[in-house]
Amino acid sequence: DAGVTQSPTHLIKTRGQQVTLRCSPKSGHDTVSWYQQALGQGPQFIFQYYEEEERQRGNFPDRFSGHQFPNYSSELNVNALLLGDSALYLCASSFSPQGARGYTFGSGTRLTVV
Amino acid sequence: EDKVVQSPLSLVVHEGDTVTLNCSYEVTNFRSLLWYKQEKKAPTFLFMLTSSGIEKKSGRLSSILDKKELSSILNITATQTGDSAIYLCAEHFMNNDMRFGAGTRLTVKP
Repeated sequence: DAGVTQSPTHLIKTRGQQVTLRCSPKSGHDTVSWYQQALGQGPQFIFQYYEEEERQRGNFPDRFSGHQFPNYSSELNVNALLLGDSALYLCASSFSPQGARGYTFGSGTRLTVV
Repeated sequence: EDKVVQSPLSLVVHEGDTVTLNCSYEVTNFRSLLWYKQEKKAPTFLFMLTSSGIEKKSGRLSSILDKKELSSILNITATQTGDSAIYLCAEHFMNNDMRFGAGTRLTVKP
């Protein structure tokens, strides 16, 4: 039973470019949450998707957008990349009724903006 | 803005020592507090604590919530080198937002 799968594992982009990160949730999970973890910091909540809609959003600009597909997988898009967007991006999936207790994190995508 | 504050930020101990990690949170829309262990990339779940304040235990690890002090502690007894990791606490809100602290980096030396 596969856990949460994220791709790619590493990515280098140039300032101003756009990037798409992907997440496949754990089997049986229907909710996907995205987090940004800068070096030396805890993860910061970006947004959560459930039933293909953004259910909750953290304090991130509109440059950060997402999508959830009918198979529950999700994408995170970041436009007009800034140097400060360099971070580990974590995806967590869960089965909605279980709430936070059922969160399973992926290994993340390390994004470097140069 | 609600904050989750962890202390200490880093800690170095020797095998066999007992450690106590601290986490303070803010009460607005509180739902639960969670502890995670992050060794490389993916945080792994340790405990979830609610306002009932019941202590949770799993082997050498234990945690309790003090709802009067708005804080939680994570205890690790008889530490091993495999306990070396970043320990994160997170406050889970009623609106499903989850806010993490900066973490405590624990290093256990042989």
